[in-house]
Amino acid sequence: SQTIHQWPATLVQPVGSPLSLECTVEGTSNPNLYWYRQAAGRGLQLLFYSVGIGQISSEVPQNLSASRPQDRQFILSSKKLLLSDSGFYLCAWRTGGTQYFGPGTRLLVL
Amino acid sequence: EDQVTQSPEALRLQEGESSSLNCSYTVSGLRGLFWYRQDPGKGPEFLFTLYSAGEEKEKERLKATLTKKESFLHITAPKPEDSATYLCAVSRGNRDDKIIFGKGTRLHILP
Repeated sequence: SQTIHQWPATLVQPVGSPLSLECTVEGTSNPNLYWYRQAAGRGLQLLFYSVGIGQISSEVPQNLSASRPQDRQFILSSKKLLLSDSGFYLCAWRTGGTQYFGPGTRLLVL
Repeated sequence: EDQVTQSPEALRLQEGESSSLNCSYTVSGLRGLFWYRQDPGKGPEFLFTLYSAGEEKEKERLKATLTKKESFLHITAPKPEDSATYLCAVSRGNRDDKIIFGKGTRLHILP
C-alpha cells in the first residue's frame, strides 16, 4: 500500500534562517506531488505541484521554492524565512483521481 | 471562476442528532468531487470520491451524495469521535492537475 512521509513533524525557526522540508512517497510510481500551506482558520493554499522529476509549477509568488530530485521525493525550501511563512505544511500525492495527504509539518517562525 | 463553497462554516450537534454538510461548486467540467476529514494538527484523511450526479457512497455513519451543482455529506446519529473539520474538493476537466478545496466545515458533536 502507499505511504507518504513528512519530516520534521514540528519546526521552530528564527526569521531569516533557511528551511528544508522533505516529503517521500512509498508504494507508487510517477505520482503527481503537491505542497500546500494551511494557515490557522484558513483553507488549503496550493504552493507547488510537480508532475515529474525536475518539473515544478509554482502557484503563488513567495520566498519559497520546491524541488523534486527523485521520483518519490519532494522538497520545500527557503533561503530566508519570514514571519508570514508560519503555518501547517502538507505534502500530497496523486495518481489518477484521488489525492492523499501526508501528516504535515508545523512550522513556527519567530 | 472555479470555486468550492462549503456551509455551514461550523456546526454543533448533540450526539445522535443527524444533519448534513453542504458543498456547492462551480467548475468547468467536473472530473471528481472529494470529501476529506481533518483532525486538529493532522493531514486530511480521504473519505469519498464521487464522479457523476446521482452517485452516492457510504462509510459507517457518513453518506456522500452528488448533484450537478452540489454535494452533501450526511451524518447519521453522530458520535463525539465524528468531531472534525470536513473538507470538500473538486477536480476540474481541464488539463492541469490541481484540485480546488473549500474552506471546510468544523463539526463538533456534543456528548
